[in-house]
Amino acid sequence: QSVLTQPPSVSGAPGQRLTISCTGSSSNIGADYDVYWYQQLPGTAPKLLIPGTSNRPSGVPDRFSGSESGTSASLAITGLQAEDEAYYYCQSYDNSLSGWVFGGGTKLTVL
Amino acid sequence: QITLKESGPTLVKPTQTLTLTCTFSGFSLNTFAMGVGWIRQPPGKALEWLALIYWDDDKRYSPSLKSRLTITKDTSKNQVVLTMTNMAPVDTATYYCAHSLPGTKGFDYWGQGTLVTVSS
Repeated sequence: QSVLTQPPSVSGAPGQRLTISCTGSSSNIGADYDVYWYQQLPGTAPKLLIPGTSNRPSGVPDRFSGSESGTSASLAITGLQAEDEAYYYCQSYDNSLSGWVFGGGTKLTVL
Repeated sequence: QITLKESGPTLVKPTQTLTLTCTFSGFSLNTFAMGVGWIRQPPGKALEWLALIYWDDDKRYSPSLKSRLTITKDTSKNQVVLTMTNMAPVDTATYYCAHSLPGTKGFDYWGQGTLVTVSS
């Protein structure tokens, strides 16, 4: 059971806008710790997409954006493309666990 | 250009101790705010943070695994070593090391990962 909760799967058609949610609690997202989003293609290491409130890493399209509100965060992807099909993970810090925490991951399918 | 690479055994027996080495380049763990973490991923499952060491030798461990983990650094070799004792089949996973994005709690560069299987 992951500390951060994500939907197991989402899907969308090419060109659509899609969001992936990440629900935490008052000891992580709600405690104002930044949320980081990673993309993991099959058989590869995770890649940082959204570095909290820092600037997007070079090479990450501006189709990807992150937002936070209360104890939740969201990753939005606009203009969905076939190459976006991957697993997406959110990550933050939890002060009651004194450690880094990940979501359970969301599989994005492009229809 | 920051790169990291994990190395270690691909197969360990139950009850044995696992030792993994992360060899990195493009930064120094002598530099303020630098850190290297370890994260694992069982086959088909989610990422799990294990440990992290900072430039000033501040060490953090996952509470659920703290008793089994030790993280150390060798700045002269640009290496970080993770040991995990009393390995069990449930510890079968791909183990990643990653560079901590300075001043944040995120990881901006990851190694390719190394699959460790625990089996007799």
